[in-house]
Amino acid sequence: GESVGLHLPTLSVQEGDNSIINCAYSNSASDYFIWYKQESGKGPQFIIDIRSNMDKRQGQRVTVLLNKTVKHLSLQIAATQPGDSAVYFCAESSHGQNFVFGPGTRLSVLP
Amino acid sequence: DTEVTQTPKHLVMGMTNKKSLKCEQHMGHRAMYWYKQKAKKPPELMFVYSYEKLSINESVPSRFSPECPNSSLLNLHLHALQPEDSALYLCASSHPEGADGYTFGSGTRLTVV
Repeated sequence: GESVGLHLPTLSVQEGDNSIINCAYSNSASDYFIWYKQESGKGPQFIIDIRSNMDKRQGQRVTVLLNKTVKHLSLQIAATQPGDSAVYFCAESSHGQNFVFGPGTRLSVLP
Repeated sequence: DTEVTQTPKHLVMGMTNKKSLKCEQHMGHRAMYWYKQKAKKPPELMFVYSYEKLSINESVPSRFSPECPNSSLLNLHLHALQPEDSALYLCASSHPEGADGYTFGSGTRLTVV
């Protein structure tokens, strides 16, 4: 289930289940979006990106969905594994301007 | 392994010290960035260099001084920091205007005592 703590929302899923991490973005002019994964003690790592002329993009075990009407982005992870445990950030950019990061969601994979 | 290398990985400094954080990339990226990240928070942009010139300073206090000696190197000089400056400092690089996203280093964990 999902819980919202004081600072960082947390999503807990069973190993093998699918995970869905959501992100609401603020700028209707944003045209490029990226999902980053940040493990403890490391910098953010690029997972998948999507441009505003698309509404879905798939990678290996990951899918990003973009709903521009409601300014919503989601990251779906299939068959979640312990190595997927991390904090996930969405980031948005408008016309080549610098990326703005969302607040992040901690994904915890339960054995 | 990350293609953006940051040194040192950890740094403890007193409020009267002067220290420098270093960042190096060899991907041919012409944009480089410094971010500050507090615990349980997203990265916050500090500085942007584009083609070795400072293009953005997000109202960062002057006790942080960036330097870009060449297209592969980015430094952050620190002087007279405060305990609240303790954070993870992340360097990133990209093609101009962030095309294809940023590549981040692993960061320097800074503690000011």
